[in-house]
Amino acid sequence: AQSVAQPEDQVNVAEGNPLTVKCTYSVSGNPYLFWYVQYPNRGLQFLLKYITGDNLVKGSYGFEAEFNKSQTSFHLKKPSALVSDSALYFCAVRTYGSSNTGKLIFGQGTTLQVKP
Amino acid sequence: SQTIHQWPATLVQPVGSPLSLECTVEGTSNPNLYWYRQAAGRGLQLLFYSVGIGQISSEVPQNLSASRPQDRQFILSSKKLLLSDSGFYLCAWHRTGEIYGKLFFGSGTQLSVL
Repeated sequence: AQSVAQPEDQVNVAEGNPLTVKCTYSVSGNPYLFWYVQYPNRGLQFLLKYITGDNLVKGSYGFEAEFNKSQTSFHLKKPSALVSDSALYFCAVRTYGSSNTGKLIFGQGTTLQVKP
Repeated sequence: SQTIHQWPATLVQPVGSPLSLECTVEGTSNPNLYWYRQAAGRGLQLLFYSVGIGQISSEVPQNLSASRPQDRQFILSSKKLLLSDSGFYLCAWHRTGEIYGKLFFGSGTQLSVL
């Protein structure tokens, strides 16, 4: 069965420091991986995705993510955190073979808290 | 440009009352449409998806139903709400045929069943 795990409920980091939000996945076939961010009482916003090609993917707001096939991971990173980055972050995997329905399986989310 | 509208933003309903949440998409045609539920501010559970008018797929058995009466309209309903139906409901859409594309989410409806 396809699954996504975000092992940390919360990540705390000081402003200006690098941040990492972890994600591991389990799928059959090629993984198509996504990161979304959610601000309080709002919908999810797309940050970036990995489909194929370069393992380092760059996305919105200075975020990037590194795809590691051997470790089945897709960690979200940012070199220098901002207080405004504080939000709930979701990793998601699109199930292979589900045609064009775009069904995503989401992790449980990780709350990022950036302190000034 | 494409936009997605979802309403109401918040809703408080008594147990046993009916429910109707509406979602519409503008600026695109024949989108794939989705309803997700988020409990307690955490993970998202896919409830329903639709690839066309009148075509609804249910992901989990539950007290809810969905309908797609028009191409860009997706409605989530219940005849009698349960306490466990409380949560944050999100509508989303996806471009048909864009296999690796992203989902676009509405701003959500916070439903409290009391």
